[in-house]
Amino acid sequence: GENVEQHPSTLSVQEGDSAVIKCTYSDSASNYFPWYKQELGKRPQLIIDIRSNVGEKKDQRIAVTLNKTAKHFSLHITETQPEDSAVYFCAGNTYRSQGNLIFGKGTKLSVKP
Amino acid sequence: EADIYQTPRYLVIGTGKKITLECSQTMGHDKMYWYQQDPGMELHLIHYSYGVNSTEKGDLSSESTVSRIRTEHFPLTLESARPSHTSQYLCASSADTVNTEAFFGQGTRLTVV
Repeated sequence: GENVEQHPSTLSVQEGDSAVIKCTYSDSASNYFPWYKQELGKRPQLIIDIRSNVGEKKDQRIAVTLNKTAKHFSLHITETQPEDSAVYFCAGNTYRSQGNLIFGKGTKLSVKP
Repeated sequence: EADIYQTPRYLVIGTGKKITLECSQTMGHDKMYWYQQDPGMELHLIHYSYGVNSTEKGDLSSESTVSRIRTEHFPLTLESARPSHTSQYLCASSADTVNTEAFFGQGTRLTVV
């Protein structure tokens, strides 16, 4: 079945710096890769997603890149702000996982003012 | 407003008690899920459903059971709660296609004493 590895588990950056979180997946048939942000005490919420027919997608300060050959995708946050502090989860899903989202273990991002 | 509703938000209960965690969605989605999230952040899929009268076990073995009698309702039941069941339980739903995001409820934080 699908397996999603996420690194690093914790990340601390200074306000204004960039943050990068990386994920790898095992199933070459994976075709949908969402990123979720979970603030303390709140529910996970989608912040950006990418499908396998696209190599990069950008939305203001966040971007996601996908390398299908290497089977990895990354979240990039530029000009980080304290409100970006949260836990970020990558995920992948395929027909082989019955279409269910398989999540990485999460990255706790801390942005220091 | 279309959303996913979970009740209760917090529950403290004694060992051996039977509990039901409620989840309802007004998103019009066929597919629903239950995830267990430990304080260490990782999201584990414990149950999912394709629609009415469909229930499947997820990747993480769980002593809980689920039912899906109505499209919008997906309750989770523990027949005899134990301290090892202490965790956060997140309900989610999605349209029944592969390349689509899951929407999460606010979660139920369960403590078994």
